[in-house]
Amino acid sequence: DTAVSQTPKYLVTQMGNDKSIKCEQNLGHDTMYWYKQDSKKFLKIMFSYNNKELIINETVPNRFSPKSPDKAHLNLHINSLELGDSAVYFCASSQDGDRVWTEAFFGQGTRLTVV
Amino acid sequence: AQSVTQLDSHVSVSEGTPVLLRCNYSSSYSPSLFWYVQHPNKGLQLLLKYTSAATLVKGINGFEAEFKKSETSFHLTKPSAHMSDAAEYFCVVRQYSSASKIIFGSGTRLSIRP
Repeated sequence: DTAVSQTPKYLVTQMGNDKSIKCEQNLGHDTMYWYKQDSKKFLKIMFSYNNKELIINETVPNRFSPKSPDKAHLNLHINSLELGDSAVYFCASSQDGDRVWTEAFFGQGTRLTVV
Repeated sequence: AQSVTQLDSHVSVSEGTPVLLRCNYSSSYSPSLFWYVQHPNKGLQLLLKYTSAATLVKGINGFEAEFKKSETSFHLTKPSAHMSDAAEYFCVVRQYSSASKIIFGSGTRLSIRP
């Protein structure tokens, strides 16, 4: 029973296309994230939502638009894909208390290749 | 602001010898610290975590880490390396702020020689 699931696992598409990656967590967590991992394995946060509210929006092109229909889902839509968008995208979730930060649970990643 | 530095981008050890992966952090408040492992073409798995309880933390697969506030370090160790330990390891820091982030180090690739 997968805790954080992303679809699709692989995505190959042409430049200029629009694509979406879906993420769902069944852990009951309040906070969800999108991370981008580049070819050097560096992981950088893109967005974070808490109870469907955007709380972190890093310096990401506005071609990237997250959407959280409910606290169990955080989807990532990318418009006008560029070669530089090729990366592995990870969704994650966590449940945080008062000044206690728990671990994040990660999905298996979506490998996006733009050709 | 918080940050985390992994001091080695690549560590290579022989099977059966000890492993040391170094991590230093910077944090304005008491942080929570984590180590994650990523096997090739896989997702991220939590190895262990420190959240202001015991400073010596034991994790899965025989790994452990010690939180040293005076040195701002959270190094990962294992007494005896196994071939299956070959992977990318990430040190992670979190701290309280109005918009909390999970900050990853740049990763350390661990290779195991037969």
